[in-house]
Amino acid sequence: EAGVTQFPSHSVIEKGQTVTLRCDPISGHDNLYWYRRVMGKEIKFLLHFVKESKQDESGMPNNRFLAERTGGTYSTLKVQPAELEDSGVYFCASSQEGWETQYFGPGTRLLVL
Amino acid sequence: QQPVQSPQAVILREGEDAVINCSSSKALYSVHWYRQKHGEAPVFLMILLKGGEQKGHDKISASFNEKKQQSSLYLTASQLSYSGTYFCGTEERFGNEKLTFGTGTRLTIIP
Repeated sequence: EAGVTQFPSHSVIEKGQTVTLRCDPISGHDNLYWYRRVMGKEIKFLLHFVKESKQDESGMPNNRFLAERTGGTYSTLKVQPAELEDSGVYFCASSQEGWETQYFGPGTRLLVL
Repeated sequence: QQPVQSPQAVILREGEDAVINCSSSKALYSVHWYRQKHGEAPVFLMILLKGGEQKGHDKISASFNEKKQQSSLYLTASQLSYSGTYFCGTEERFGNEKLTFGTGTRLTIIP
């Protein structure tokens, strides 16, 4: 069974540009989470989808971040316009039920110059 | 507020034991342990639910003390493959679902 996949694995952009990250959860997992780890700090929750609905978006830093999950399958996280402090590793995770194990993807390493 | 992990880093020789602690200032419903190797996805190790349970998995086990709001991960007779950064993720109540992670403990096993 394929795990959680994320694309791209790395992205280097300039401040002010737009970047879109993609996450494909494990097939059949209704719950999808986005997390972010900024250099040297802890992994922080961004938001949680149940199917196509946003269950919890309390961790989204500001309105430059937009997450979507059309059709309840893959999800995208768009950062527009990107700022220097957005640099970090963006992880996606999925679970079958909300209280079950969250399986993580390898992350997208974003560097904003 | 994030849970506090200790130690921040530890270096062990192959075959030695390690204990990694995770303490929270808030009451917890569950604790999730993950290990991440550089550049890879965090890999799930185990979940502990409130009730003070203890779990084991090969030579890796963990305990959860609900009253003390802390969990400990025990690595016995460590192997080279145990190297990586260990994270605890906490859930404050059933259905809360989002995980609040500690800052991680970097474990290095040397031959």
